[in-house]
Amino acid sequence: KQEVTQIPAALSVPEGENLVLNCSFTDSAIYNLQWFRQDPGKGLTSLLLIQSSQREQTSGRLNASLDKSSGRSTLYIAASQPGDSATYLCAVVDSGGTALIFGKGTTLSVSS
Amino acid sequence: NAGVTQTPKFQVLKTGQSMTLQCAQDMNHNSMYWYRQDPGMGLRLIYYSASEGTTDKGEVPNGYNVSRLNKREFSLRLESAAPSQTSVYFCASAVWTQTGELFFGEGSRLTVL
Repeated sequence: KQEVTQIPAALSVPEGENLVLNCSFTDSAIYNLQWFRQDPGKGLTSLLLIQSSQREQTSGRLNASLDKSSGRSTLYIAASQPGDSATYLCAVVDSGGTALIFGKGTTLSVSS
Repeated sequence: NAGVTQTPKFQVLKTGQSMTLQCAQDMNHNSMYWYRQDPGMGLRLIYYSASEGTTDKGEVPNGYNVSRLNKREFSLRLESAAPSQTSVYFCASAVWTQTGELFFGEGSRLTVL
């Protein structure tokens, strides 16, 4: 059974700092991996999607990498801003499945 | 473009009452999903529908039923609500012949007293 783990569970940083969020998964046979952002009381917004054949994806200040062989993905946020404060969720789809399995998320707080 | 729309956004039920959560997507996606989100438990899959006319159980299906009414709509029914079903419910959709990116609704917050 696929399991997804995110470390750390919570992170507090000052504005301007570069930071890395970690995601690990137990079964390397994945279809894709997605990073989401969730603001309090809101739904999930897709940030980046990495297909199993890709190594990384970039969008603005965000960069996500994927290493299937080691079962790891990282989300790099450059020059963090208070508006980046949210919970970040990692999710994978098994190559044989059709639904996402989620980690429990990392709650990020960026102070000004 | 509304994306994924869920109704109602908030609902309070008494134990034993029934209700249906509605979900509709306008992106012509084949696959639709219902998740629940609880503190400390993350998002867990309740049921999914890979295509119109099919439904399958996810990780936590007990106490729920679903109907894929057509390609656009996927409803989740609680036949006899229990306090353990107090949660935030999210509907999502995706098309796997493309990127497989999942799109979520805003959520439905359900409290069972």
